[in-house]
Amino acid sequence: AQSVSQHNHHVILSEAASLELGCNYSYGGTVNLFWYVQYPGQHLQLLLKYFSGDPLVKGIKGFEAEFIKSKFSFNLRKPSVQWSDTAEYFCAVNGGNNNDMRFGAGTRLTVKP
Amino acid sequence: DTEVTQTPKHLVMGMTNKKSLKCEQHMGHRAMYWYKQKAKKPPELMFVYSYEKLSINESVPSRFSPECPNSSLLNLHLHALQPEDSALYLCASSQDVSTHTPLHFGNGTRLTVT
Repeated sequence: AQSVSQHNHHVILSEAASLELGCNYSYGGTVNLFWYVQYPGQHLQLLLKYFSGDPLVKGIKGFEAEFIKSKFSFNLRKPSVQWSDTAEYFCAVNGGNNNDMRFGAGTRLTVKP
Repeated sequence: DTEVTQTPKHLVMGMTNKKSLKCEQHMGHRAMYWYKQKAKKPPELMFVYSYEKLSINESVPSRFSPECPNSSLLNLHLHALQPEDSALYLCASSQDVSTHTPLHFGNGTRLTVT
């Protein structure tokens, strides 16, 4: 079965700093990769997804992620964070025949104004 | 605002109670999911329904009983729960169970078992 690791538990940045959140997955077959965001008190929302094509994926709110197959990674990036980006970020993966999406442990991002 | 509606938003129940969580979507999605999320933890998959049939049960204890009466509705029946079952229960839907279709989540039901 697939699994996901997120190495950063809590990241604290100042506004305008650049962001990179790590995500590594483990799965032997073709995978589909996702980043979800959970703002305080809100539901999980899709930021971006990758399932084929260009490994550099652009999502909403200026986020992007790069799929590096050789490293089993799908890191999330944003060149300049804003205070409103404060949230919990989850990397997720599914594979096989069913949409049994698995989530990483999550990274809490705090952006100081 | 999410297009997946979950009720109630909060629920407190005793260990001998029977209650149900409800989830509704009108996006025409044919796959629906239950996830459990404990504080500061990721969502954990419980059940997957595809075209109203249970396709995945992640070895969830029988005190949790899912039901999908039609393609728009998903219920989770609760009976004889334990305090450690207290968590945020998330419902999600997707177009189908194809692995590249993203999940759309509801706001969740925060369950407290006393």
